[in-house]
Parts: sequence; structure tokens; C-alpha cells
Amino acid sequence: GAGVSQSPSNKVTEKGKDVELRCDPISGHTALYWYRQSLGQGLEFLIYFQGNSAPDKSGLPSDRFSAERTGGSVSTLTIQRTQQEDSAVYLCASSPPGLAGNNEQFFGPGTRLTVL
Amino acid sequence: AQKVTQAQTEISVVEKEDVTLDCVYETRDTTYYLFWYKQPPSGELVFLIRRNSFDEQNEISGRYSWNFQKSTSSFNFTITASQVVDSAVYFCALSERGTGFQKLVFGTGTRLLVSP
Repeated sequence: GAGVSQSPSNKVTEKGKDVELRCDPISGHTALYWYRQSLGQGLEFLIYFQGNSAPDKSGLPSDRFSAERTGGSVSTLTIQRTQQEDSAVYLCASSPPGLAGNNEQFFGPGTRLTVL
Repeated sequence: AQKVTQAQTEISVVEKEDVTLDCVYETRDTTYYLFWYKQPPSGELVFLIRRNSFDEQNEISGRYSWNFQKSTSSFNFTITASQVVDSAVYFCALSERGTGFQKLVFGTGTRLLVSP
């Protein structure tokens, strides 16, 4: 079946512009995660959605970052007033329902964001 | 605080050599999960293994094996008879009960280069 898909695959933007990154999780997966992979910082957790529960936003680096998940499926990560340090690969993952911790996270191919 | 350390930044081997990737973790939780992911040049993270903190049995899967030792807080990964296709960045990760097992904390990764 289809895996996690993300769009766009690459995004180049100018400093100060807003960007939206999209994630389509695997059908039936109730949990969705956003991570950021940047040079020097490795892979960082950003935000986590589980069903209808309030999201865990503890990893968002600033209030310029926000994310939504509509209808328990597609998610959009929005970065407002982008800065050069936002340049990174943004990875989305999803996992199926079940006991927490037992679930493998399936990752998408990522969106490479470059802020000029 | 939870932390994962992969001290080896890059390892180069010749095909058919055995190679061990080190992973040391820190956690105050008694219940946690450890993971290894592979990131080939295509960029998509591929799940390799999940191990819970109560299961210290070593695991073998084909040419891959994992050595989990709670006494030294290590979860090392060995590839036997390496192949060129094993070239990738390998990440070790940790999730804790304290965060609902949902937040993966990654190490900085080890880049493995296998030459013919």
C-alpha cells in the first residue's frame, strides 16, 4: 500500500515568507509526527497528533511554527516569517493504532526547505 | 533528560567486513523503547528494529544483529559481511514512558560507507 507522502519535495523561499508543508499519512494510522533534520542538530521532534487528542507541541522551536491535522488525516506544518535557520528537511511520520511504544513510526521522504 | 549518543560520525569499511555501530542512551525512565533506523541516500528513514527495556535478549536478523545491555545503557548494531547496499546513515532512537512513548529522541547518526 501507499506510504507516507509529503509535498512539496523541495521548497525554496525567501526570508520572511510563510511556507506550508503537507503530510499525507498512511491510511488508518491514527498518530502523526513531524520531525526536523538539520545539519548540526540531527533529527528533532516537533509535534505529535494522536486521534482527536490535543497535539503535543513541545518540540516546536518558536511561535512561528504551527501545525494542523484536519479530519484526523492530512497534516500541514506552517512556518511563518521564515528565517535562514529554518532551512532543513522536514520529516513526517505516522503510526497505526495500538499500544503506545509498540508502534513503529513510518516516515515519509521529507520536504527539503531552503530559506534564502 | 533523555539523550542518545552515537559517537561514531562516520565509518568506512570494505565489503564483507563486519562493522559495529555504537549507541549509548540516557534515560531516567525504567520503561522505554530503543530503535534503529536506516536512512539511505534516498532520504527516507527505514525502520530496522524496536526493543523494549525489559527484553535484553540479543536479536539477529540475517546479517544484522543487536546487542542490548542495560548495565552500560548501550544498544549496539552489528552488520556482518557488509555490502555496498548497507551504505547509509544509521540512527539510534529512544522513546520513554514519561512522554507516552510517542516522542522519538534520535542520536546524531553514523554514516556508514561500504566500498567494493
